[in-house]
Amino acid sequence: DTEVTQTPKHLVMGMTNKKSLKCEQHMGHRAMYWYKQKAKKPPELMFVYSYEKLSINESVPSRFSPECPNSSLLNLHLHALQPEDSALYLCASSQDKRDVYTDTQYFGPGTRLTVL
Amino acid sequence: QKEVEQNSGPLSVPEGAIASLNCTYSDRGSQSFFWYRQYSGKSPELIMSIYSNGDKEDGRFTAQLNKASQYVSLLIRDSQPSDSATYLCAGGISSGSARQLTFGSGTQLTVLP
Repeated sequence: DTEVTQTPKHLVMGMTNKKSLKCEQHMGHRAMYWYKQKAKKPPELMFVYSYEKLSINESVPSRFSPECPNSSLLNLHLHALQPEDSALYLCASSQDKRDVYTDTQYFGPGTRLTVL
Repeated sequence: QKEVEQNSGPLSVPEGAIASLNCTYSDRGSQSFFWYRQYSGKSPELIMSIYSNGDKEDGRFTAQLNKASQYVSLLIRDSQPSDSATYLCAGGISSGSARQLTFGSGTQLTVLP
């Protein structure tokens, strides 16, 4: 089973709203990732959690705040977003093997975010 | 700068033909490579991974890696209309305790019935 789930599937929010995206996996993976993908572009890495600790933050604006409450769950808290933040937000997970060559990321279905 | 370049496409092939997707990378630190398929409006789905020089076959898909030439390819035999999608090549690197993927820009494949 390589299932990563994300909720909600679609989200429309105003620039003053606060919302959260949720990601869950039950594969025992210890690394979880947030990506942002704009139309006709590849995914852009935002954050990486390894063993529930933030290990990479790709200079993402502070209006995006990640949280990893436990090894199965990853949240992305959104506040005061801009219309240009509208995109597909993808969560992924991997085993975070020490054998880096075989560590494979599996993506969730994504949340389509529209900021008005 | 770590980069993964894909042949720009779009690529159209007739049904039943072989589709060839190519990718080059600039970072010799990349040790693992992944091909993802992404249908319009959907998330990337893993097709193949390859770590060693040579060919790796899985059904109609064959991935090829040449580390000396820093070249990765994906061949799709007996292409079907359902193979029409964007194919993303990604190189994996280790950055401290985390793993990162560097994606190419993607190649849009259309298989014509």
